[in-house]
Parts: sequence; C-alpha cells; structure tokens
Amino acid sequence: DVKVTQSSRYLVKRTGEKVFLECVQDMDHENMFWYRQDPGLGLRLIYFSYDVKMKEKGDIPEGYSVSREKKERFSLILESASTNQTSMYLCASGVTGKSPLHFGNGTRLTVT
Amino acid sequence: AQKITQTQPGMFVQEKEAVTLDCTYDTSDPSYGLFWYKQPSSGEMIFLIYQGSYDQQNATEGRYSLNFQKARKSANLVISASQLGDSAMYFCAMSREFYNQGGKLIFGQGTELSVKP
Repeated sequence: DVKVTQSSRYLVKRTGEKVFLECVQDMDHENMFWYRQDPGLGLRLIYFSYDVKMKEKGDIPEGYSVSREKKERFSLILESASTNQTSMYLCASGVTGKSPLHFGNGTRLTVT
Repeated sequence: AQKITQTQPGMFVQEKEAVTLDCTYDTSDPSYGLFWYKQPSSGEMIFLIYQGSYDQQNATEGRYSLNFQKARKSANLVISASQLGDSAMYFCAMSREFYNQGGKLIFGQGTELSVKP
C-alpha cells in the first residue's frame, strides 16, 4: 500500500512565522502535490512537482513556496504565515492521469 | 477553464437505501479522468472509483457505481444499500491535461452525506 506521511496532524503558529509542512511518500511516485482544503471550496491546488528540484504553481500559490530535494519528500513553506492561511493542508502523490492520487492524513494549521 | 461542480452541500439518506451524489464537469480536453473520493471525519481521503472519458461502460466498485453521461458532462456517484459508515464528505474530481500532467486533479466543493439509522 502507498503511504503518504505528513509530519504534523495539528499545528498552531503565529502570524509572521515561517512554517514548514513536510510530506514523504514511500512508493517512488514521480508526482507530488500540495492542496489546501476549506469548507465550501473543496480542495485547491497550491503547488505540484513532477520531478526532483522541479516545481510548478497551482491555482493558489500566493504566499507559499515548495521544495523537492529528494524524490520522496515534498515540503510546503509558508514564508510569513498569515491568518488567512489557517486551513487543512493535504499532500498527495501519484503517477498518471488514470490513477488516483494517494493522500496523506492532512495537517490542520491554525495561524493566530 | 476546467471546472467541477457539486450542487448538493449536504444530503441525508436512510440506512440500506440507495443515494446519488451529483457531479457535473466542464472541460475542453479530449481525454480526462473522473474520480470520487470519500473523506470521513478523521480527515483521510479515500479513493472510491474512477471513470475514464473513453471508457464505454460505467465504472463499478462494490456498492459504488459511477453514472457517467458524457454528453451531459455528468459523473454522478451512486451508493447502493447505504451503511452508517458511509457518512462522510464526498468529493468529485477530474484530472487535468490527462497525458501531459498526469495526476493533477481539480475538485468539486464536496457533498456531506449523512446516513440515518
């Protein structure tokens, strides 16, 4: 079974802090994704990566950056956290458009 | 632009009855995939079923079936014989740029299903 592990289940940070959300997958998937989930909005794509050191912006990249130094690890960075970034963050990995994404359990981030 | 729409924010169904969750989509891509995910209160996203745009038959997986009507651009999820454990949020999703950027999904707003005993 594919396992996608997010380092924190719950996180509370202060406005202005730099925040790192870590994600590791164990199935050698090329593709990794960061989504943000908000009530009534579904999941929205923040950034994705199809290879090591490669990244592309999704639909809502503002205020975020990512890092992929190793194939199995994809990090989401909030350079200066703001209260409007309080949300559930979901990491996923996958292979092709025909196969489902595999998701981590999510990190619920609160910025105060 | 590609878009997924789920118009039912919440639904109730009696245990053991069937329920249909609606999903419509919009895309100009000739090839695409449609997915349904379940998200229980614990938060994990569970893949349920997949339908390719060129698949001739509707997909089925156990109690789940996908009612795919390509001309209407709809991909409704049908759950037969509902169980209490089916209470969850359900998301419809579509893969974008099917061959070039595999795996990138756009999601609908979700439908919260509550199964009554």
